[in-house]
Amino acid sequence: EADIYQTPRYLVIGTGKKITLECSQTMGHDKMYWYQQDPGMELHLIHYSYGVNSTEKGDLSSESTVSRIRTEHFPLTLESARPSHTSQYLCASTLGGNYGYTFGSGTRLTVV
Amino acid sequence: QQQVKQSPQSLIVQKGGISIINCAYENTAFDYFPWYQQFPGKGPALLIAIRPDVSEKKEGRFTISFNKSAKQFSLHIMDSQPGDSATYFCAAENSNSGYALNFGKGTSLLVTP
Repeated sequence: EADIYQTPRYLVIGTGKKITLECSQTMGHDKMYWYQQDPGMELHLIHYSYGVNSTEKGDLSSESTVSRIRTEHFPLTLESARPSHTSQYLCASTLGGNYGYTFGSGTRLTVV
Repeated sequence: QQQVKQSPQSLIVQKGGISIINCAYENTAFDYFPWYQQFPGKGPALLIAIRPDVSEKKEGRFTISFNKSAKQFSLHIMDSQPGDSATYFCAAENSNSGYALNFGKGTSLLVTP
């Protein structure tokens, strides 16, 4: 079983709402990542973090922000949701050093 | 810019056949090449990975073949089963860059009974 948890699993919200997607891992991994993925499609890196108080933007600008106050927690916030944000959001973590990523099950977001 | 190119986009194989998915890269600094398997509604899961100092790695029915000079690597699924039907992603990483994995666009595999 994966030790990385994402909540909520599904979310339907209205345009303009502020939302936070939660991601927590119990493996003590320093590196964490957020990806956006349409079903069965390629993964786009949104944000990543190499440790507490470290955050960087990825290749896809999705008008979101992240924080990393604790090693185990890496929440993603959309300040003003739009229909174009409708997608699946995947969180991942790794020890680094070619250990591979562990992914969460994702949050399926629909903005109406 | 897509740093890892993956083909085919979709693949249909009969049960018992061999599934082959190919990936190519340009950045010679990449030193880690994992494959991920993703079922609908789930996050990708690490399937098998290889480093460029070996040409082949086998785990059960899954084999990675790696050609460093051609900058290509491929996943072979032997004796393909309907339960292997999933989306497969190749990826590449430069462990010295401090950056994230670069994923291919994915291959949707369907194994028919």
